[in-house]
Amino acid sequence: AQSVTQLGSHVSVSEGALVLLRCNYSSSVPPYLFWYVQYPNQGLQLLLKYTSAATLVKGINGFEAEFKKSETSFHLTKPSAHMSDAAEYFCAVNPGVIGGTSYGKLTFGQGTILTVHP
Amino acid sequence: DTAVSQTPKYLVTQMGNDKSIKCEQNLGHDTMYWYKQDSKKFLKIMFSYNNKELIINETVPNRFSPKSPDKAHLNLHINSLELGDSAVYFCASSQVLNTEAFFGQGTRLTVV
Repeated sequence: AQSVTQLGSHVSVSEGALVLLRCNYSSSVPPYLFWYVQYPNQGLQLLLKYTSAATLVKGINGFEAEFKKSETSFHLTKPSAHMSDAAEYFCAVNPGVIGGTSYGKLTFGQGTILTVHP
Repeated sequence: DTAVSQTPKYLVTQMGNDKSIKCEQNLGHDTMYWYKQDSKKFLKIMFSYNNKELIINETVPNRFSPKSPDKAHLNLHINSLELGDSAVYFCASSQVLNTEAFFGQGTRLTVV
Protein backbone atom coordinates (compact mmCIF):
# COMPACT_ATOMS: atom_id res chain seq x y z
CA ALA A 1 0.00 0.00 0.00
CA GLN A 2 1.11 3.53 -0.65
CA SER A 3 1.23 6.28 1.93
CA VAL A 4 2.46 9.84 2.16
CA THR A 5 3.59 11.73 5.24
CA GLN A 6 4.03 15.47 5.23
CA LEU A 7 6.09 16.61 8.17
CA GLY A 8 4.66 19.76 9.67
CA SER A 9 1.03 20.71 9.22
CA HIS A 10 2.00 24.40 9.38
CA VAL A 11 5.11 26.11 8.08
CA SER A 12 5.72 29.81 8.53
CA VAL A 13 8.41 31.78 6.70
CA SER A 14 9.28 35.39 6.08
CA GLU A 15 8.96 36.88 2.64
CA GLY A 16 12.20 36.24 0.77
CA ALA A 17 13.18 33.26 2.92
CA LEU A 18 13.67 29.68 1.79
CA VAL A 19 10.58 27.52 1.66
CA LEU A 20 11.01 23.83 2.55
CA LEU A 21 7.99 21.55 2.74
CA ARG A 22 8.75 17.95 3.61
CA CYS A 23 7.20 14.85 2.10
CA ASN A 24 8.07 11.22 2.67
CA TYR A 25 6.37 8.37 0.90
CA SER A 26 6.13 4.64 1.04
CA SER A 27 5.48 2.61 -2.06
CA SER A 28 6.07 -0.98 -3.03
CA VAL A 29 7.08 0.05 -6.52
CA PRO A 30 8.82 3.12 -7.97
CA PRO A 31 6.11 5.71 -7.71
CA TYR A 32 4.98 8.79 -9.49
CA LEU A 33 5.05 11.76 -7.12
CA PHE A 34 3.26 15.07 -7.25
CA TRP A 35 2.96 18.34 -5.40
CA TYR A 36 -0.31 20.24 -5.57
CA VAL A 37 -1.24 23.65 -4.18
CA GLN A 38 -4.68 24.64 -2.94
CA TYR A 39 -5.64 28.26 -2.43
CA PRO A 40 -8.65 29.00 -0.19
CA ASN A 41 -11.95 27.81 -1.65
CA GLN A 42 -10.29 26.60 -4.80
CA GLY A 43 -9.36 23.33 -6.41
CA LEU A 44 -5.94 21.75 -6.50
CA GLN A 45 -3.36 23.02 -8.95
CA LEU A 46 -0.42 20.88 -10.01
CA LEU A 47 2.91 22.41 -9.03
CA LEU A 48 5.23 19.69 -10.30
CA LYS A 49 5.56 15.97 -10.87
CA TYR A 50 8.18 13.23 -10.76
CA THR A 51 7.71 10.37 -13.21
CA SER A 52 11.07 8.54 -13.08
CA ALA A 53 13.00 10.91 -15.29
CA ALA A 54 15.26 13.57 -13.72
CA THR A 55 15.34 13.41 -9.93
CA LEU A 56 15.33 17.21 -9.60
CA VAL A 57 12.02 18.45 -10.86
CA LYS A 58 11.21 22.07 -11.59
CA GLY A 59 7.66 23.29 -11.38
CA ILE A 60 5.62 26.43 -11.67
CA ASN A 61 6.04 29.59 -9.59
CA GLY A 62 9.72 28.88 -8.87
CA PHE A 63 9.14 25.66 -6.93
CA GLU A 64 11.23 22.55 -7.30
CA ALA A 65 11.46 19.17 -5.65
CA GLU A 66 14.08 16.46 -5.47
CA PHE A 67 13.27 12.77 -5.53
CA LYS A 68 15.57 10.86 -3.17
CA LYS A 69 14.92 7.16 -3.38
CA SER A 70 17.30 6.28 -0.52
CA GLU A 71 15.41 8.62 1.79
CA THR A 72 11.97 7.97 0.24
CA SER A 73 11.53 11.73 0.17
CA PHE A 74 10.21 14.30 -2.24
CA HIS A 75 10.66 17.63 -0.47
CA LEU A 76 9.39 20.83 -2.05
CA THR A 77 11.57 23.94 -2.02
CA LYS A 78 11.54 27.51 -3.22
CA PRO A 79 14.57 29.78 -2.73
CA SER A 80 12.62 32.93 -1.94
CA ALA A 81 9.07 32.99 -0.58
CA HIS A 82 6.51 35.43 -1.90
CA MET A 83 3.33 36.52 -0.19
CA SER A 84 1.34 34.89 -2.98
CA ASP A 85 2.80 31.49 -2.02
CA ALA A 86 0.62 31.36 1.08
CA ALA A 87 -1.64 28.35 0.55
CA GLU A 88 -1.97 24.69 1.48
CA TYR A 89 0.36 22.23 -0.21
CA PHE A 90 -0.30 18.57 -0.78
CA CYS A 91 2.16 15.84 -1.68
CA ALA A 92 0.68 12.84 -3.48
CA VAL A 93 1.84 9.45 -4.73
CA ASN A 94 0.54 7.35 -7.58
CA PRO A 95 1.82 3.79 -7.56
CA GLY A 96 1.79 3.45 -11.30
CA VAL A 97 1.59 -0.11 -12.55
CA ILE A 98 1.42 -2.99 -10.08
CA GLY A 99 1.33 -6.56 -11.28
CA GLY A 100 0.44 -5.47 -14.78
CA THR A 101 -2.50 -3.37 -13.62
CA SER A 102 -2.43 0.37 -13.95
CA TYR A 103 -3.89 2.36 -11.09
CA GLY A 104 -4.78 6.01 -11.26
CA LYS A 105 -5.26 6.39 -7.56
CA LEU A 106 -3.56 9.36 -5.96
CA THR A 107 -2.83 8.99 -2.26
CA PHE A 108 -2.42 12.37 -0.60
CA GLY A 109 -0.53 13.56 2.42
CA GLN A 110 -2.28 15.50 5.16
CA GLY A 111 -1.33 18.86 3.70
CA THR A 112 0.97 21.65 4.90
CA ILE A 113 -0.31 25.17 5.33
CA LEU A 114 2.34 27.69 4.30
CA THR A 115 2.14 31.14 5.86
CA VAL A 116 4.35 33.93 4.53
CA HIS A 117 5.04 36.93 6.76
CA PRO A 118 5.99 40.34 5.37
CA ASP B 1 -11.84 28.17 -20.75
CA THR B 2 -12.36 25.87 -17.77
CA ALA B 3 -10.67 22.48 -18.06
CA VAL B 4 -12.60 20.58 -15.37
CA SER B 5 -15.85 22.14 -14.30
CA GLN B 6 -18.23 21.06 -11.56
CA THR B 7 -21.71 22.20 -10.75
CA PRO B 8 -22.92 23.32 -8.37
CA LYS B 9 -20.11 25.00 -6.45
CA TYR B 10 -22.16 25.03 -3.25
CA LEU B 11 -24.93 22.67 -2.22
CA VAL B 12 -26.89 22.89 1.03
CA THR B 13 -29.48 20.23 1.61
CA GLN B 14 -31.35 18.39 4.33
CA MET B 15 -30.63 14.93 5.63
CA GLY B 16 -32.37 12.23 3.67
CA ASN B 17 -32.44 14.12 0.38
CA ASP B 18 -30.94 12.90 -2.88
CA LYS B 19 -28.57 15.16 -4.77
CA SER B 20 -26.30 15.10 -7.80
CA ILE B 21 -23.06 16.83 -8.66
CA LYS B 22 -22.08 17.16 -12.29
CA CYS B 23 -18.59 17.18 -13.74
CA GLU B 24 -17.34 17.85 -17.22
CA GLN B 25 -13.83 18.00 -18.64
CA ASN B 26 -12.83 19.49 -21.99
CA LEU B 27 -9.25 18.20 -21.95
CA GLY B 28 -9.95 15.08 -23.98
CA HIS B 29 -8.80 12.90 -21.08
CA ASP B 30 -9.69 9.23 -20.80
CA THR B 31 -9.84 9.01 -17.02
CA MET B 32 -12.00 10.84 -14.50
CA TYR B 33 -12.18 10.71 -10.72
CA TRP B 34 -14.12 11.79 -7.68
CA TYR B 35 -12.24 12.76 -4.54
CA LYS B 36 -13.63 13.74 -1.15
CA GLN B 37 -11.96 16.35 1.05
CA ASP B 38 -13.15 16.23 4.64
CA SER B 39 -13.26 19.00 7.22
CA LYS B 40 -9.59 18.42 8.08
CA LYS B 41 -8.65 18.89 4.42
CA PHE B 42 -7.79 15.21 4.00
CA LEU B 43 -8.25 14.12 0.38
CA LYS B 44 -9.30 10.60 -0.48
CA ILE B 45 -10.25 9.01 -3.75
CA MET B 46 -13.78 7.70 -4.12
CA PHE B 47 -14.04 6.52 -7.71
CA SER B 48 -12.14 6.47 -10.94
CA TYR B 49 -13.42 5.79 -14.42
CA ASN B 50 -11.34 4.98 -17.47
CA ASN B 51 -13.11 5.23 -20.81
CA LYS B 52 -16.46 5.12 -19.00
CA GLU B 53 -15.49 1.95 -17.15
CA LEU B 54 -15.34 1.91 -13.34
CA ILE B 55 -11.76 1.20 -12.27
CA ILE B 56 -11.67 2.16 -8.61
CA ASN B 57 -14.47 2.04 -6.07
CA GLU B 58 -12.78 2.88 -2.82
CA THR B 59 -15.20 1.32 -0.29
CA VAL B 60 -17.68 4.10 -0.71
CA PRO B 61 -21.22 3.52 0.64
CA ASN B 62 -23.76 2.32 -1.90
CA ARG B 63 -25.60 5.60 -1.47
CA PHE B 64 -22.94 7.11 -3.72
CA SER B 65 -23.34 6.21 -7.36
CA PRO B 66 -21.14 7.62 -10.11
CA LYS B 67 -22.40 7.75 -13.67
CA SER B 68 -20.28 8.34 -16.74
CA PRO B 69 -22.46 8.94 -19.80
CA ASP B 70 -19.38 9.61 -21.92
CA LYS B 71 -15.64 10.15 -21.46
CA ALA B 72 -16.07 13.87 -20.84
CA HIS B 73 -18.60 13.57 -18.02
CA LEU B 74 -18.63 11.92 -14.63
CA ASN B 75 -21.56 12.72 -12.37
CA LEU B 76 -21.99 11.79 -8.74
CA HIS B 77 -25.39 10.97 -7.33
CA ILE B 78 -25.87 10.67 -3.59
CA ASN B 79 -28.97 9.09 -2.05
CA SER B 80 -30.29 9.55 1.46
CA LEU B 81 -27.78 12.20 2.44
CA GLU B 82 -26.30 12.02 5.94
CA LEU B 83 -24.61 14.66 8.07
CA GLY B 84 -21.29 12.87 7.60
CA ASP B 85 -21.47 13.40 3.86
CA SER B 86 -20.73 17.09 4.37
CA ALA B 87 -17.41 17.72 2.64
CA VAL B 88 -15.89 19.21 -0.48
CA TYR B 89 -16.12 16.89 -3.47
CA PHE B 90 -13.58 17.27 -6.24
CA CYS B 91 -13.82 15.96 -9.74
CA ALA B 92 -10.56 15.39 -11.60
CA SER B 93 -9.34 14.01 -14.88
CA SER B 94 -6.10 12.69 -16.33
CA GLN B 95 -4.85 11.69 -19.75
CA VAL B 96 -4.40 8.10 -18.67
CA LEU B 97 -4.38 6.40 -15.29
CA ASN B 98 -0.85 7.28 -14.21
CA THR B 99 -0.42 10.84 -15.31
CA GLU B 100 -1.12 13.96 -13.32
CA ALA B 101 -4.71 14.73 -12.45
CA PHE B 102 -6.38 18.07 -13.14
CA PHE B 103 -8.93 19.10 -10.55
CA GLY B 104 -12.15 21.02 -10.69
CA GLN B 105 -12.97 23.83 -8.28
CA GLY B 106 -14.86 21.55 -5.94
CA THR B 107 -18.43 21.31 -4.70
CA ARG B 108 -18.95 22.18 -1.05
CA LEU B 109 -21.77 19.95 0.17
CA THR B 110 -23.40 20.82 3.48
CA VAL B 111 -26.00 18.48 4.91
CA VAL B 112 -28.19 19.98 7.64
